[in-house]
Amino acid sequence: GESVGLHLPTLSVQEGDNSIINCAYSNSASDYFIWYKQESGKGPQFIIDIRSNMDKRQGQRVTVLLNKTVKHLSLQIAATQPGDSAVYFCAEKVGANNLFFGTGTRLTVIP
Amino acid sequence: GAVVSQHPSWVICKSGTSVKIECRSLDFQATTMFWYRQFPKQSLMLMATSNEGSKATYEQGVEKDKFLINHASLTLSTLTVTSAHPEDSSFYICSARAPKGDRGRNEQFFGPGTRLTVL
Repeated sequence: GESVGLHLPTLSVQEGDNSIINCAYSNSASDYFIWYKQESGKGPQFIIDIRSNMDKRQGQRVTVLLNKTVKHLSLQIAATQPGDSAVYFCAEKVGANNLFFGTGTRLTVIP
Repeated sequence: GAVVSQHPSWVICKSGTSVKIECRSLDFQATTMFWYRQFPKQSLMLMATSNEGSKATYEQGVEKDKFLINHASLTLSTLTVTSAHPEDSSFYICSARAPKGDRGRNEQFFGPGTRLTVL
């Protein structure tokens, strides 16, 4: 089956710095990727997505980069704020199939 | 944006009892709903996919007789944990797939989760 994993299980950054959260995936057929933010005791919240025909997509303070050659996905958060502290999951999808989630990275923002 | 609710948000029950969790799409009709389970400090694991009016499709290793799923309408799916045991204690999250939006994609929205504790 598909395997989606993360390089770093935890990440601590100073408030105002940029954060980079990484994700490796193993299914080269995956054509759609999503980053989710999950705060404690809550469900996942959509952050940003990207299709496999793109290598970069920007949102408000967030950027997702996709490197299909090495099957790597990253989420960049600019000017990280305390409210960004959460667990971040990447998820992948093949066509109309179901989403598969990675293991998650806990981001802690130090004031 | 699309809103998905779950009820209850938390429940504590005795071992051997059954617990029902509701998942509702509040402002859209969801032909497909998903149930996930999340253990502490772990990722979301898909349990089953529920299509309105038909039987749910369970992932490998998930007992369909223990986790009963009913998707009776386009806005409501229920998960019943039958004869719950302490090892069933977990965070259960539902998700509903919205119709294709402006971007031409079926989007999936998540509920806030239900914390189940079995004593």
